[in-house]
Amino acid sequence: DAGVIQSPRHEVTEMGQEVTLRCKPISGHNSLFWYRQTMMRGLELLIYFNNNVPIDDSGMPEDRFSAKMPNASFSTLKIQPSEPRDSAVYFCASSLVAGPIGTDTQYFGPGTRLTVL
Amino acid sequence: RKEVEQDPGPFNVPEGATVAFNCTYSNSASQSFFWYRQDCRKEPKLLMSVYSSGNEDGRFTAQLNRASQYISLLIRDSKLSDSATYLCVVISGNTGKLIFGQGTTLQVKP
Repeated sequence: DAGVIQSPRHEVTEMGQEVTLRCKPISGHNSLFWYRQTMMRGLELLIYFNNNVPIDDSGMPEDRFSAKMPNASFSTLKIQPSEPRDSAVYFCASSLVAGPIGTDTQYFGPGTRLTVL
Repeated sequence: RKEVEQDPGPFNVPEGATVAFNCTYSNSASQSFFWYRQDCRKEPKLLMSVYSSGNEDGRFTAQLNRASQYISLLIRDSKLSDSATYLCVVISGNTGKLIFGQGTTLQVKP
């Protein structure tokens, strides 16, 4: 069975460029989560969706970050303009149940390793 | 103070050893607790949930101590393949979000 799919797996870009990260959740899952992991801050929840609707985006660092989920099988996280401090691994996760966070197991994708020069 | 704190380690133990990690949480209203495992340059994966009564899964035992606000993970008869970072995860009593600890790194040596 296909797990959560993320693309690209690695991205190197220059400061000021737009970056778009993509995620395909597990088929049939109703919740989708975007996380960022750095050595300094660990794993942080950025935003999550239930049934394609953004529920909580309070973890999004600033207006340069935006996320969309146009349908149940696709989500994007966009950074515009990117900055060196955005360098991190970005994980997408999905879970079966659309409900209060944590009520169901989250399955993580392999992550996108972003480097902003 | 961080909402979830772990000793980053690394814990270096020989094969067959028993090792235990603790994780403390600051919000007494936290309700749900988990241990995730993350291998180097890989994604986190759920290892086990932590129940109030404690739970065991093979060589792994998780315990919750609400009075002292910590959870623990015990690994018996450790294997080389247990080498990984173990993330303590708490559902925040304030926001309902998953809060991840920084992780504890375990290295099992032959």
